[in-house]
Amino acid sequence: ILNVEQSPQSLHVQEGDSTNFTCSFPSSNFYALHWYRWETAKSPEALFVMTLNGDEKKKGRISATLNTKEGYSYLYIKGSQPEDSATYLCACHSGGSNYKLTFGKGTLLTVNP
Amino acid sequence: DAMVIQNPRYQVTQFGKPVTLSCSQTLNHNVMYWYQQKSSQAPKLLFHYYDKDFNNEADTPDNFQSRRPNTSFCFLDIRSPGLGDAAMYLCATSRDRTVGSNQPQHFGDGTRLSIL
Repeated sequence: ILNVEQSPQSLHVQEGDSTNFTCSFPSSNFYALHWYRWETAKSPEALFVMTLNGDEKKKGRISATLNTKEGYSYLYIKGSQPEDSATYLCACHSGGSNYKLTFGKGTLLTVNP
Repeated sequence: DAMVIQNPRYQVTQFGKPVTLSCSQTLNHNVMYWYQQKSSQAPKLLFHYYDKDFNNEADTPDNFQSRRPNTSFCFLDIRSPGLGDAAMYLCATSRDRTVGSNQPQHFGDGTRLSIL
């Protein structure tokens, strides 16, 4: 069973603060890591799909890094805005004959104006 | 415009009364997934269709069934809902399911199911 852990479970920051959170996964049999943003009453939206060790991806003020050897990914948000408030989910794909994405429980981010 | 549409957004049913949740997609994707998410838990895959090929997860209860009459539509049937089935149900699609794929999944807004 693939175990994907996210921390912290929740955090509150002030508008303008930069923040980051972590996704941990087993480093063996890794194939891909996905990050999704899920705003209340909306659908989860894909942010990044990362596959290579050392990969770094950026979308506006949000960026992510991937370390497949030690089994973690960081998501960074620079200059948080209230509209960044959402649950951030990561999910891991172990490849092989298992096509399944295994999700973490998410990090709930609240950005206070 | 929404590309993965789930209906209804909220569904209330009685204990033991069959219920069907609906998902449609305009992306023409081959793969459709159903996830269950209970409060503060990770979304859990129930099953997926790769075209017409149904793939059930080993720990999905028999109470949960699915139908995919065509590429665009997929249904989740809960034959005899229990109180423990109250959850958010998410439908998602992806273009393909190949091991070499690094495609994201595309989600609907979800259906929140309550059991009375």
